Amino acid sequence: TQLLEQSPQFLSIQEGENLTVYCNSSSVFSSLQWYRQEPGEGPVLLVTVVTGGEVKKLKRLTFQFGDARKDSSLHITAAQPGDTGLYLCAGMRGNTPLVFGKGTRLSVIA
Amino acid sequence: GAGVSQTPSNKVTEKGKYVELRCDPISGHTALYWYRQSLGQGPEFLIYFQGTGAADDSGLPNDRFFAVRPEGSVSTLKIQRTERGDSAVYLCASSLAGTNTGELFFGEGSRLTVL
Repeated sequence: TQLLEQSPQFLSIQEGENLTVYCNSSSVFSSLQWYRQEPGEGPVLLVTVVTGGEVKKLKRLTFQFGDARKDSSLHITAAQPGDTGLYLCAGMRGNTPLVFGKGTRLSVIA
Repeated sequence: GAGVSQTPSNKVTEKGKYVELRCDPISGHTALYWYRQSLGQGPEFLIYFQGTGAADDSGLPNDRFFAVRPEGSVSTLKIQRTERGDSAVYLCASSLAGTNTGELFFGEGSRLTVL
């Protein structure tokens, strides 16, 4: 059973389009992180959200933590080819190590 | 170095052999993590060190897997009697403190292929 479910699994869009990817769970998390991973590299942290309902913006990326701290979304405005990669959400519960979802593989076509 | 360093970057071995994967964390980072990432999956937790001791090894799949961090810096993940199902990218990460705080800094991973 996957603790964090990410959707969609794959997404291919044209440059300039907007998109949203989701991270859902039945469990409550004390914090949730989003990472991006490119081929042959390790994941790189984009953002950490800790408060229910929190919204954080990073240039064209908007991250939201659900009110109940069970889910999160990542919205990208005007996607660019450089946004291509595997987007991973990862949650923290108490003192347990970070748990990752399977990721959303995004491809932005020029 | 500036980042987390992992060696080897690629390792091909035969079923039944023993392998060691090394991780050199960012200087000063007390926490060190090993994750395993299979094709099409997210990273799966294996073990976490705080200093020299394994604070949580609940993710190690069986007793063929073992990890050490004798001086609280470099860590080695050891896999005995490798099986084809062990093939994956083994990721190491470090952070300034333990779980619940801050960012994990990942290395590029060691890709293990068991033939």
